[in-house]
Amino acid sequence: AQSVAQPEDQVNVAEGNPLTVKCTYSVSGNPYLFWYVQYPNRGLQFLLKYITGDNLVKGSYGFEAEFNKSQTSFHLKKPSALVSDSALYFCAVRDSYGSSNTGKLIFGQGTTLQVKP
Amino acid sequence: GAVVSQHPSRVICKSGTSVKIECRSLDFQATTMFWYRQFPKQSLMLMATSNEGSKATYEQGVEKDKFLINHASLTLSTLTVTSAHPEDSSFYICSATRGGAVTDTQYFGPGTRLTVL
Repeated sequence: AQSVAQPEDQVNVAEGNPLTVKCTYSVSGNPYLFWYVQYPNRGLQFLLKYITGDNLVKGSYGFEAEFNKSQTSFHLKKPSALVSDSALYFCAVRDSYGSSNTGKLIFGQGTTLQVKP
Repeated sequence: GAVVSQHPSRVICKSGTSVKIECRSLDFQATTMFWYRQFPKQSLMLMATSNEGSKATYEQGVEKDKFLINHASLTLSTLTVTSAHPEDSSFYICSATRGGAVTDTQYFGPGTRLTVL
């Protein structure tokens, strides 16, 4: 069964410092991994995805994520955090395994990022 | 871009009434649309997957007769909450994909806040 874990409910970082939001996954086949951000009372905004190829994926707003197959992780990173990055971040996975794949996303529980000035 | 809209953004209704929520892909044709429910400070729960012109596929535990989904065109899907009750109060979010590939990105609408009195 597919699953995604975001081990931290909240991450606190000072503005200008690097940030990391952690995500680990479990799938049967090849993983297709996504990061989304949600601002209060809003839908989700797509940040980036890993399908295949280079393990370092660059996305929107200066975010990037590193796919690590041996550690089954896909951590979200940014070299220098901004106060405006404060939001709820979701990691999600799709599994390539099985003919019944409908493209469903399985979401992690979310991590609140708090960037303080 | 890939813009998904939802209408209304917020609705308050009396118990026993029905509420319809629209989800539109504004600048692309959506092969597949998804409906999610989100409780405060929680992750997204997939309710159903709909493909244009066919019946929606509901997730286990989601009442088909309670949450009616219609995907009448490649740019519009509707969710009707029938005979709404206070426990149906939630944040409903739709998403859409351009194609049917498992690697396609889901683009999310801004969400609809339903409050049932």
